[in-house]
Amino acid sequence: GNSVTQMEGPVTLSEEAFLTINCTYTATGYPSLFWYVQYPGEGLQLLLKATKADDKGSNKGFEATYRKETTSFHLEKGSVQVSDSAVYFCALTPPWTGGFKTIFGAGTRLFVKA
Amino acid sequence: DVKVTQSSRYLVKRTGEKVFLECVQDMDHENMFWYRQDPGLGLRLIYFSYDVKMKEKGDIPEGYSVSREKKERFSLILESASTNQTSMYLCASSPGRNSNQPQHFGDGTRLSIL
Repeated sequence: GNSVTQMEGPVTLSEEAFLTINCTYTATGYPSLFWYVQYPGEGLQLLLKATKADDKGSNKGFEATYRKETTSFHLEKGSVQVSDSAVYFCALTPPWTGGFKTIFGAGTRLFVKA
Repeated sequence: DVKVTQSSRYLVKRTGEKVFLECVQDMDHENMFWYRQDPGLGLRLIYFSYDVKMKEKGDIPEGYSVSREKKERFSLILESASTNQTSMYLCASSPGRNSNQPQHFGDGTRLSIL
């Protein structure tokens, strides 16, 4: 079946450190891949997406590349800020499901210290 | 800008009560979703709807029902609330039938059943 596995948190970094949050998936065909971010007291919001192999999604200094060969979609940022403290969710939507069957990872909490 | 509004941020109810959670979107989206979010489990789909008066069960529909009488409004109903339904509930919407489209989330309702 389809599934998403992301690294357990919490992840604690100092400001300006490099961030990687690992995400691997299992799916049939070519799913669409997403990273969502949830700030304290809010719902999820889209951070970036990639819809085909080798696509790179980017937004607000975050990047992730759709790697079909390793079934991965790792999130990276070169220099984190305190304001990046949040929970990050990796997600996939299988093809031919009409967008109804998005599967979310368990989430990774990031703390950034000043 | 896209807006999904959930009627309550916090709600406290008693065991056995009938509970209504309301969600409204202003984007003319066809699809609407209800999830519950629990620590370590990510988001789990309760029900979704792809058109007015249409609904489909998600992964954990037991103990819940939904109503979609108008395109912009999707209600989640706990027929007889139980303590194991204490959780964060997230509503989301998305356009069309394309798996490339992200979902847009409300800020959530934190429900406590005493």
